[in-house]
Amino acid sequence: NAGVTQTPKFRVLKTGQSMTLLCAQDMNHEYMYWYRQDPGMGLRLIHYSVGEGTTAKGEVPDGYNVSRLKKQNFLLGLESAAPSQTSVYFCASSGGFGDGNEQFFGPGTRLTVL
Amino acid sequence: LAKTTQPISMDSYEGQEVNITCSHNNIATNDYITWYQQFPSQGPRFIIQGYKTKVTNEVASLFIPADRKSSTLSLPRVSLSDTAVYYCLVGDGDYNQGGKLIFGQGTELSVKP
Repeated sequence: NAGVTQTPKFRVLKTGQSMTLLCAQDMNHEYMYWYRQDPGMGLRLIHYSVGEGTTAKGEVPDGYNVSRLKKQNFLLGLESAAPSQTSVYFCASSGGFGDGNEQFFGPGTRLTVL
Repeated sequence: LAKTTQPISMDSYEGQEVNITCSHNNIATNDYITWYQQFPSQGPRFIIQGYKTKVTNEVASLFIPADRKSSTLSLPRVSLSDTAVYYCLVGDGDYNQGGKLIFGQGTELSVKP
């Protein structure tokens, strides 16, 4: 089992460009999450999904969109990247909702917006 | 209001026992307490979870007093490889009850030789 994988691992964008981050899990988990982590700060929840075809806003959703067309995949999109979105992005999945159930995290995507 | 409060940083030496305390004054009856460990450039990793009293696994112990308003993660005889950030989370795992995922800043543990 690969667990949770993220694509790409690194990316550099120019302001205004768009991109999509892909998260895939092979554990048949219902719940998936996207977090961002900035230097010296903890993880902040961007969006999450409680099942295929569902999405919900987290703590810092502005500037991001998500889609969960397939149970195993959770996509995070940046329509018009801004320097403030420079961060490390982590995807996670869990069998039950993540505040009380073990979350499995991916290796992260390091994004730089110039 | 933040659900949990932890010290920002702690220092220790190899071979010592390290105790990291998390305060969660507003913990609800059905909430569990979960701890994660994060190494630099990696995603967090689950360490331990508990509801009350004491839980022990091969990595750590978790002590929870009767009032459950705090919990203490105990790492026995730490080594340099235990240098990481440690997060505690509190929640009932039920999205339908309005659960929220708040990791907070965590506690940065530095183990020195």
